[in-house]
Amino acid sequence: QVQLVQSGAEVKKPGASVKVSCKTSGYSFTSYYMHWVRQAPRQGLEWMGIINPSGGGTSYAQKLQGRVTMTRDTSTSTVYMELSSLRSEDTAVYFCARRGDFSAPDYWGQGTLVTVSS
Amino acid sequence: DIQMTQSPSSLSASVGDRVTITCRASQGISNYLAWFQQKPGKAPKSLIYAASSLQSGVPSKFSGSGSGTDFILTISSLQPEDFATYYCQQYNSYPITFGQGTRLEIK
Repeated sequence: QVQLVQSGAEVKKPGASVKVSCKTSGYSFTSYYMHWVRQAPRQGLEWMGIINPSGGGTSYAQKLQGRVTMTRDTSTSTVYMELSSLRSEDTAVYFCARRGDFSAPDYWGQGTLVTVSS
Repeated sequence: DIQMTQSPSSLSASVGDRVTITCRASQGISNYLAWFQQKPGKAPKSLIYAASSLQSGVPSKFSGSGSGTDFILTISSLQPEDFATYYCQQYNSYPITFGQGTRLEIK
């Protein structure tokens, strides 16, 4: 069965970087793009970007351009999202979500809480 | 960017009721519309893709309709486990955008 398992919670200081992983199993890793979505406390869902695990190509939300980097490791079927120059507004739960056969997200990771605090 | 507007923002209903949630796109998105259910402290669950197609394993009490700019999610015969927040999402073009969410509460 398809599984997306994310890394554990992180606490970072303002200005630092964080790298969240999403380890996949149960399907052909390079056949499905992966989204990253975040949710600030008591807020809605915000799309951050998408990566093609096959070639590594990415598309990022404009507001995060220059601070976000999505990468993948095909040997471990894992995708990564790194966010730099963290500020308090980046405190959120970060989700990976697979883009399914019909282009909409189908499977989601469990989420990773990133807290930015001095 | 395409703006997605859901209504209502919150909704109270009773077990057994049928409810509808509306999602409007600021420009046409054909049928590239998905719906998600989210419970507190949990990841979203994918319900519907292509405006009206159920994801695998999703019960038929959930249904979606619409095309272009106006879309509807209908949930029939509400059960306690259906009370959650629901989001629409357009994936017609980047950046992908979500509606603000509709909180469905027990009356």
